[in-house]
Amino acid sequence: DAMVIQNPRYQVTQFGKPVTLSCSQTLNHNVMYWYQQKSSQAPKLLFHYYDKDFNNEADTPDNFQSRRPNTSFCFLDIRSPGLGDAAMYLCATRTTGDYNEQFFGPGTRLTVL
Amino acid sequence: AQSVAQPEDQVNVAEGNPLTVKCTYSVSGNPYLFWYVQYPNRGLQFLLKYITGDNLVKGSYGFEAEFNKSQTSFHLKKPSALVSDSALYFCAALRGSTGRRALTFGSGTRLQVQP
Repeated sequence: DAMVIQNPRYQVTQFGKPVTLSCSQTLNHNVMYWYQQKSSQAPKLLFHYYDKDFNNEADTPDNFQSRRPNTSFCFLDIRSPGLGDAAMYLCATRTTGDYNEQFFGPGTRLTVL
Repeated sequence: AQSVAQPEDQVNVAEGNPLTVKCTYSVSGNPYLFWYVQYPNRGLQFLLKYITGDNLVKGSYGFEAEFNKSQTSFHLKKPSALVSDSALYFCAALRGSTGRRALTFGSGTRLQVQP
């Protein structure tokens, strides 16, 4: 089945130790999103890619970076995780059409010790 | 600025009864509205959307939503609730220009269906 896959599902890191979360998709969608979600709050958009065109949200901290080496894969790098970065990180994709729905992966829950 | 409001943190309903989860929006231009559901430790799942056309939109799992322009609302409804409908529900509005479309989410409403 076509899907959005996130690895790992659970990630534990230490304060200040860089961590990378990965997202892959078999849907061949042009657009990919990264969200941060804390404690059942609304997902907060960090950035998104329209093909290779990178769009950063104005309030996304510099500590968060992203890479999209090809259509199928997208990575979220947290350069120096703080305790406040503990959250669920969600990846989503959609096709090019502006009004199409997003397909979400299951998320990666990040714990910072 | 665009915003989406979900005035109820939690909605409780008995199984078999109708349910409504409320959403109001404030957008510039035409509203494009979505509902998503989230089960514990899972990503969001798309339920339905309003882009244009009929004000009553039908979606997955028996859910529907009514778009009301005069009241700027997009309430989610289901005629008969199931215990398995218990989850977190998010209303969202589309923002941005072509090629930079993204969603603004409401704060979420937890639906609890009691047996």
